[in-house]
Amino acid sequence: DAGVTQSPTHLIKTRGQHVTLRCSPISGHKSVSWYQQVLGQGPQFIFQYYEKEERGRGNFPDRFSARQFPNYSSELNVNALLLGDSALYLCASSEGTGAYEQYFGPGTRLTVT
Amino acid sequence: DQQVKQNSPSLSVQEGRISILNCDYTNSMFDYFLWYKKYPAEGPTFLISISSIKDKNEDGRFTVFLNKSAKHLSLHIVPSQPGDSAVYFCAARANDYKLSFGAGTTVTVRA
Repeated sequence: DAGVTQSPTHLIKTRGQHVTLRCSPISGHKSVSWYQQVLGQGPQFIFQYYEKEERGRGNFPDRFSARQFPNYSSELNVNALLLGDSALYLCASSEGTGAYEQYFGPGTRLTVT
Repeated sequence: DQQVKQNSPSLSVQEGRISILNCDYTNSMFDYFLWYKKYPAEGPTFLISISSIKDKNEDGRFTVFLNKSAKHLSLHIVPSQPGDSAVYFCAARANDYKLSFGAGTTVTVRA
């Protein structure tokens, strides 16, 4: 079975631009979570979506938004990019919000110049 | 507010010996703990987990110990193998939707 997939793998953007990152969960998983990992730190929770509804949000500004589609795939959008948004963005899927194990994709490396 | 802490950024161990990774937490609402392993250019891979109602969970070469009174958990890898060289993250979950991660410990297994 395919694991969590994310696209693109790498991305370079300029300050002030907008970016969209994509994630496809493991087949049968209905919950998708997004995390930001800055170099030298552990992943930080951004959002969780379940059945197309936002179930949780971390301490990130409103420039960050996300959505989940009927096929359970998800997009993470970041507006007005800042240099500090440079990070590895990880998507994780789980069977549901009550599931304890989350399975991560390979991530999208975003560089903001 | 760092609720999960891994105070050792790195660990070097000889092949065949035991690796012990430590993790401390501050949030008493955490009820489930996980360890993830991460290779460069890959996402974290789930390794092993433990519920707060247990004090030990074993899976092959990997054992996780939980000491709730000390708010401390540890991961033991026996015997360590070269393929175990990676970054290990401790994560914790309260009765909600998100995982809180430590900063990670880089393990290097020497031949």
